[in-house]
Formats: sequence, C-alpha cells, structure tokens
Amino acid sequence: AQRVTQPEKLLSVFKGAPVELKCNYSYSGSPELFWYVQYSRQRLQLLLRHISRESIKGFTADLNKGETSFHLKKPFAQEEDSAMYYCALSGGYGQNFVFGPGTRLSVLP
Amino acid sequence: ETGVTQSPTHLIKTRGQQVTLRCSSQSGHNTVSWYQQALGQGPQFIFQYYREEENGRGNFPPRFSGLQFPNYSSELNVNALELDDSALYLCASSFPTSGYQETQYFGPGTRLLVL
Repeated sequence: AQRVTQPEKLLSVFKGAPVELKCNYSYSGSPELFWYVQYSRQRLQLLLRHISRESIKGFTADLNKGETSFHLKKPFAQEEDSAMYYCALSGGYGQNFVFGPGTRLSVLP
Repeated sequence: ETGVTQSPTHLIKTRGQQVTLRCSSQSGHNTVSWYQQALGQGPQFIFQYYREEENGRGNFPPRFSGLQFPNYSSELNVNALELDDSALYLCASSFPTSGYQETQYFGPGTRLLVL
C-alpha cells in the first residue's frame, strides 16, 4: 500500500538554526516524491520535487530509496519559512497521489 | 494567466443531501484532480480527470463522482452526504507534458459542513 508518514506534527526551531522535516514512504515501485507548502492564508503550492533536483528558497530534499525517505532540509531557517509542509508521492501521471499528514514548522525569532 | 478558482467558498448541507462543487482550472491546463482534506490531515486524492475522462481514482465510494467539461472546468458531486464528508475540498489543475506527474496548482478550496 502507498503511504507517506511525517512523524512530527509540529517542529519549532530558532531563526538561523538548521531544520529537517522528516518524510518516509512506502511504495512498491519507483515513486515521484514532492514537498508542498502552505503559508498562512495562502493556498497549497509546490515547493520542490525530487526529479528536478532543485533548491527552492534554500530547501533541498534527497530521495533515499534504501531508507525510503525524502527529508526536507534547510541549513539556516528564516521566520518566513513558518508554514505547513506536506510530503507527497505519486506513482506517475494518473496514479494515486498520496499526501502525508503534514508538519507545521514554526521558526522563532 | 488566471489561477485555479473554486466555488462556493463555504457550504452547509444536511445528512442525505447531495452537493456539487465547482472548479475552474488554470488557463491552459487540461487535467484536474480533486482532494478531500479533513481537519488536521493531509489532502486525500479522490480522482483525476484528463480531457473529460476519469484518469485515476483514490479510495472513495461511487457516491463521489465528477465531471470535466470541454473548457476543462470541473465538478465534484457527492450524493447521500454523511457527517464524515465534512472537510475542505481542493481541486488542482495541471498540464501533463511527459509521463511524470506534473506540478499541480491548487485552488483555495471549498469548505463543506454536513449537519
């Protein structure tokens, strides 16, 4: 069965500290992995996807197939990073798109 | 370029009733997906439509049905509403250019309350 887990409901860090949002998945095959973000009073939007291998707003995520993880990292957190973060996977176009429960990141001044 | 819009923003229904939610895709997008997001949870995939045909479905009963129109706008219909159907319903549009799951652009959602 396809499943995405995000073990932390809430993660609080101080400004300038490193941040890591954990994401683990179960999928029999080669999934596509994504991170979506929802800032306060805004709609859900794509942050990054593993096939692009991009760094967006200083965030990176590496797909580790051995550990079935796709953790989101940023070396120095900013207050504007405070938001709800969702990890998601897809088996490909038209396939079931599965979201994790989300982690609320709070960056303290 | 216009973004994804949804209507209505809020809706209150009673158990057993039927509801229709609407979504207007982002300009140029021919694929729409619908999600249900219960309070405190991540979005759950309901189904996806591509060029007016259902292209994938999640674990939702048949009383959840959809339509996509030639202009790529879309409807989500839910029959025989249950209390557990109370949730935020999101639609997302995309334009597939390869075999990959393309970036989805989300609407603001419709909040449905079933009493």
